[in-house]
Amino acid sequence: EPEVTQTPSHQVTQMGQEVILRCVPISNHLYFYWYRQILGQKVEFLVSFYNNEISEKSEIFDDQFSVERPDGSNFTLKIRSTKLEDSAMYFCASSDMGANEKLFFGSGTQLSVL
Amino acid sequence: EDQVTQSPEALRLQEGESSSLNCSYTVSGLRGLFWYRQDPGKGPEFLFTLYSAGEEKEKERLKATLTKKESFLHITAPKPEDSATYLCAVPPRYGGSQGNLIFGKGTKLSVKP
Repeated sequence: EPEVTQTPSHQVTQMGQEVILRCVPISNHLYFYWYRQILGQKVEFLVSFYNNEISEKSEIFDDQFSVERPDGSNFTLKIRSTKLEDSAMYFCASSDMGANEKLFFGSGTQLSVL
Repeated sequence: EDQVTQSPEALRLQEGESSSLNCSYTVSGLRGLFWYRQDPGKGPEFLFTLYSAGEEKEKERLKATLTKKESFLHITAPKPEDSATYLCAVPPRYGGSQGNLIFGKGTKLSVKP
């Protein structure tokens, strides 16, 4: 069964450094998302991406965050200057139908900011 | 404010002991209610989508139901492999983006043999 692949599975970085989290969505999917989950808290929506542009973003997704689909297969989340509070599990997801259809999530990247 | 509240936070069952998990929501104009399963260290895995009050869906030992204010996930004769955190999610009332979901904190289910 096709799956969403995320790399790396763990990322440790120093505060203020830039990180790029990578995702390979399911190949025929058109909608892409990033979510995050701080330890012990809810899964939170960050951003959705369709047709090579952001379609919606949450308040969490400020100017320090950006997303890109640099080629036909990868989808990335960049955090320009990491903060301690950015430490979380980041999940990439994709779907083929958009609204009200199921999301396929990757296994996540655990980001630790020291 | 759109909210999703799940109860209980944790549930311990013996194998074969049926029970129900609750998800209450305050979003008006519901555009779907989603149930996901999350195993430790993994991303959520889709289970069901419900769209209207009275709707029911089943998958193996799981059955999801929906009313105007809440949804229930019924687990019949659970097995240890059903142990996971079960998440409920809804799209917000405002915001047309696909896949923007508000998740509850989940119910952590443990099934002992």
